[in-house]
Formats: sequence, structure tokens, C-alpha cells
Amino acid sequence: DSGVTQTPKHLITATGQRVTLRCSPRSGDLSVYWYQQSLDQGLQFLIQYYNGEERAKGNILERFSAQQFPDLHSELNLSSLELGDSALYFCASSVGTSGISYNEQFFGPGTRLTVL
Amino acid sequence: SQQGEEDPQALSIQEGENATMNCSYKTSINNLQWYRQNSGRGLVHLILIRSNEREKHSGRLRVTLDTSKKSSSLLITASRAADTASYFCATVSYNNNDMRFGAGTRLTVKP
Repeated sequence: DSGVTQTPKHLITATGQRVTLRCSPRSGDLSVYWYQQSLDQGLQFLIQYYNGEERAKGNILERFSAQQFPDLHSELNLSSLELGDSALYFCASSVGTSGISYNEQFFGPGTRLTVL
Repeated sequence: SQQGEEDPQALSIQEGENATMNCSYKTSINNLQWYRQNSGRGLVHLILIRSNEREKHSGRLRVTLDTSKKSSSLLITASRAADTASYFCATVSYNNNDMRFGAGTRLTVKP
């Protein structure tokens, strides 16, 4: 158990819909990262937040957005969903400072999103 | 898009043998990290090597980095059945604001 929690574990929805994935980092970790893993695209870094501020951005679509709240939990919002958005979405956390940290990242178990 | 490419894509060995996986990348990096993923589960960080380092060890793991060739290798010695997993390399960009994963190597260790 990494100490990172993600909800829900599974999510099934339809095209065009909007969903919110939630992540609680390990106690004391200030950085949260979001990743997408699909058969087509492999593992992709989406975005990093550090202490409430966006610090690094990867291949995140404009239809996707994220935020980190004062209690450090984070949410990833996916809108206008398409079939190709079906994937495993992982959250990770680290103590880390600005940028993608040198510190070890601890991954949550993931949310499996299925878009029908 | 992915930056790193691992080879081989799949590797099957007997318990006790060594396993070597390679990773190549294209752009300048700040550091390179190796992760393990058991089927459908979250990634587990194995080791991080900075761009000014050439070799690191952690238990049965040995990682090398050759920035002139833009390549890294992960060696697992005396493999165990429990090492069966997918292994990914990930590069962090030189300006520390992007991270790219390779496609991974699927390692099977037969008991």
C-alpha cells in the first residue's frame, strides 16, 4: 500500500459525459501527479501540482483539467469524453518541490475509466 | 507521446538468471527513472539516476546511464518469480517540467 488513494476504482460512462477522478496523496506529500495509461498511448504524464499550484504539464488535453485543493487532495476532470479516453488514470504523490521532483513518486492503485 | 523506447519488448528467463532491459531516449534529460508495474496495478519506483551519474545500485538492481548514447540499462540479478512484471523507463526533461515513459519491457521469470 503506497498511501495514495484514488476514487473511484472503476468508472463507466458514455461519450460526451464529464467525470471527476479524485486522489488523496500520502500524508506530508505536497506534489500530486496525474498519469494516463492506455493500450494505444502507453503511459503518459498529464500534469503536476505542487502545494495547490500547477508546476508541470505533459500531454494533457484541453478537455481535461485538474486542481489541487488546500487539503492537498487533487481532482482530475475529464469532459466531453470520447471512446479513446478509456484508460487507467493514475495519481502519484511525492514530497517534491517545483518541477518534476527528484523525489520518489508513490502511485495510487488507479481509476479504470471505460467510455462506452 | 513517448520519448523512451525499451528493448526488448518482452523477456522470458529462468529464476536465478540475470535480466537486462535497455532504454533509449531522444532529448536531453535531467534524470531517468525506472519503474515496475504488476499487471493492472500502480507503478512502483525502483531507482532514479541523474544525468551526471553513470551507474547506481539498489539491492539486486543495477542501472547505468550513457548520456552520450542517450541510453540506459536496468540489470536485475539473480531474478525471482516475483520479479515478473512490466518495467518502464521514464525520462525527466532537462528543464524539469516534463516526464516521458517508454513502452515498457514485459519480464517473465519462470520458477
